Amino acid sequence: EIVLTQSPGTLSLSPGERATLSCRASQSVRSSYLAWYQQKPGQAPRLLIYGAFNRATGIPDRFSGSGSGTDFTLTISRLEPEDFAVYYCQQYGDSPPMYTFGQGSKLEI
Amino acid sequence: QLQLQESGSGLVKPSQTLSLTCAVSGGSISSGGYSWNWIRQPPGKGLEWIGYIDYSGSTYYNPSLKRRVIISLDRSKNQFSLKLSSVTAADTAVYYCALGSGDMDVWGQGTTVTVSS
Repeated sequence: EIVLTQSPGTLSLSPGERATLSCRASQSVRSSYLAWYQQKPGQAPRLLIYGAFNRATGIPDRFSGSGSGTDFTLTISRLEPEDFAVYYCQQYGDSPPMYTFGQGSKLEI
Repeated sequence: QLQLQESGSGLVKPSQTLSLTCAVSGGSISSGGYSWNWIRQPPGKGLEWIGYIDYSGSTYYNPSLKRRVIISLDRSKNQFSLKLSSVTAADTAVYYCALGSGDMDVWGQGTTVTVSS
């Protein structure tokens, strides 16, 4: 079973700054099955990035994903006030078929 | 546009069975290539995948919950369901249903389930 470890746990930044969030897997992950989500209080998670680097529909281009193997990164180039939220990485493995989430990274002002 | 809506009992007594349903609109639950997932989030904590059922009815569960979980399809009602048995306070959470295909791009709004006597 693959374990995803996200860092940092909490990141304190200001609007306009650049945010870099990390997701490290305990074993290699297929890039096509690595995703990132944003969750705001009281809301369901929203898909941001799929396939490690593809933006989901309607996601601004300030969000970008990169990485391969066991190390993946979500970058927000210029933080907007609405970007302060919790971010989760997620992988899907097919042996056995299952999804795994990281523990989350909180981005705060 | 596909939409998902969870429903079910918001309060369950310890040792009893939690039952939730996810109604699918704007698409068919029999569509191939997708997984119909349940995910939960305890208060103040992260996301935990519970399991999924695919269009053929095959099920896959989180090993940590496998002994207590059943996910099923109801094609006539275009919905899928979750049953979690022998619940304890640790099962108190917001429960989400979601459409998956390696990632999860459609989520329900979530429903809160509290386990308490």
